[in-house]
Amino acid sequence: QKEVEQNSGPLSVPEGAIASLNCTYSDRVSQSFFWYRQYSGKSPELIMSIYSNGDKEDGRFTAQLNKASQYVSLLIRDSQPSDSATYLCAVNMASGTYKYIFGTGTRLKVLA
Amino acid sequence: DVKVTQSSRYLVKRTGEKVFLECVQDMDHENMFWYRQDPGLGLRLIYFSYDVKMKEKGDIPEGYSVSREKKERFSLILESASTNQTSMYLCASTADMNSPLHFGNGTRLTVT
Repeated sequence: QKEVEQNSGPLSVPEGAIASLNCTYSDRVSQSFFWYRQYSGKSPELIMSIYSNGDKEDGRFTAQLNKASQYVSLLIRDSQPSDSATYLCAVNMASGTYKYIFGTGTRLKVLA
Repeated sequence: DVKVTQSSRYLVKRTGEKVFLECVQDMDHENMFWYRQDPGLGLRLIYFSYDVKMKEKGDIPEGYSVSREKKERFSLILESASTNQTSMYLCASTADMNSPLHFGNGTRLTVT
């Protein structure tokens, strides 16, 4: 089992819809969770960090964390064509370790 | 805003050459990382450094070395470039291991 799993997609949604991106992780002691957006040929850029169970909202983005189910998700409301990119989920274990584990990403396509 | 600067966006080198990839961050971060990213394989950690002159091997250190003589600068060295080192190389930094990684723009290296 991979340490961080994401559906590779592509996930296609119409403009204005909600895009839902999911990520599961295997290590129960993971403490820190991050979502990155990566456009083709570019480097990852941080969208959100989440550290505790529940929802965290930032503009059109909402991250959801459920540590009991080892599941973290990203919702993008009012999706725009400019949101078309690959979204990477990253997980870090408890402090003291260097291990940031990345999923291979979900490709999102927002159709105009 | 954190700024992580990689010296080259694109590099083309010949097999057997010694290659230096430079990375500088301006936020006085303790921790710096080198990843490579390949299609279908995601981000793989090559080396990381948690302090000046301190380094730890990541998951794929073979064929690479690193240097951190100053806190702001972390260099990746390909001792004798090979075609299987053709990849996107990403440098990242973070203040502490619970915080997100901040990535540079990446260097796309082609070894011919």
